Amino acid sequence: SQQGEEDPQALSIQEGENATMNCSYKTSINNLQWYRQNSGRGLVHLILIRSNEREKHSGRLRVTLDTSKKSSSLLITASRAADTASYFCATDSDRGSTLGRLYFGRGTQLTVWP
Amino acid sequence: DGGITQSPKYLFRKEGQNVTLSCEQNLNHDAMYWYRQDPGQGLRLIYYSQIVNDFQKGDIAEGYSVSREKKESFPLTVTSAQKNPTAFYLCASSTPPSYGYTFGSGTRLTVV
Repeated sequence: SQQGEEDPQALSIQEGENATMNCSYKTSINNLQWYRQNSGRGLVHLILIRSNEREKHSGRLRVTLDTSKKSSSLLITASRAADTASYFCATDSDRGSTLGRLYFGRGTQLTVWP
Repeated sequence: DGGITQSPKYLFRKEGQNVTLSCEQNLNHDAMYWYRQDPGQGLRLIYYSQIVNDFQKGDIAEGYSVSREKKESFPLTVTSAQKNPTAFYLCASSTPPSYGYTFGSGTRLTVV
């Protein structure tokens, strides 16, 4: 399976602290994406990083990608209670027959306490 | 506003009954997807479609069926052959393929 795996499964921090989540995957990719899901809602796309990029920023989000280790990390700086959600990484495939579909991990449940 | 709409939000199915979940998008996206999410689990792909009148099975297609007669619509039917259908169902769309997905708000299906 090409499914990514997030680590840790759950993370609990105080407001103002940084939150770091990791994702590992198994096969070559074109891009890796991070999504957020609030309880009982759909997923929201946060950021996409391409295989030829090593780091990307968006507001308080910083994503890194290490294709040699087949891993990525998502850093949320200065966390807020509103950041409480599940975070998923998703990878595509560079194999032509499966272009278009994403493979999602099980997610990291982040809880930010006021 | 452009977006993707799933209906109904909650759905109850009796044993042996087929039910259809609606997914409509006005984003002019070519590709559409159906995922199933169980508590504490990741998303598992049921079916996906990259163009009208064409679709492919995902990892857990048994007991489900889809159609893609219009670019905007990708309904999912949960048939009586699906023995454990209780789950949260998510529809998504994207364009071009492999760019970021836009998700609907989901349908929670419960067997009664």
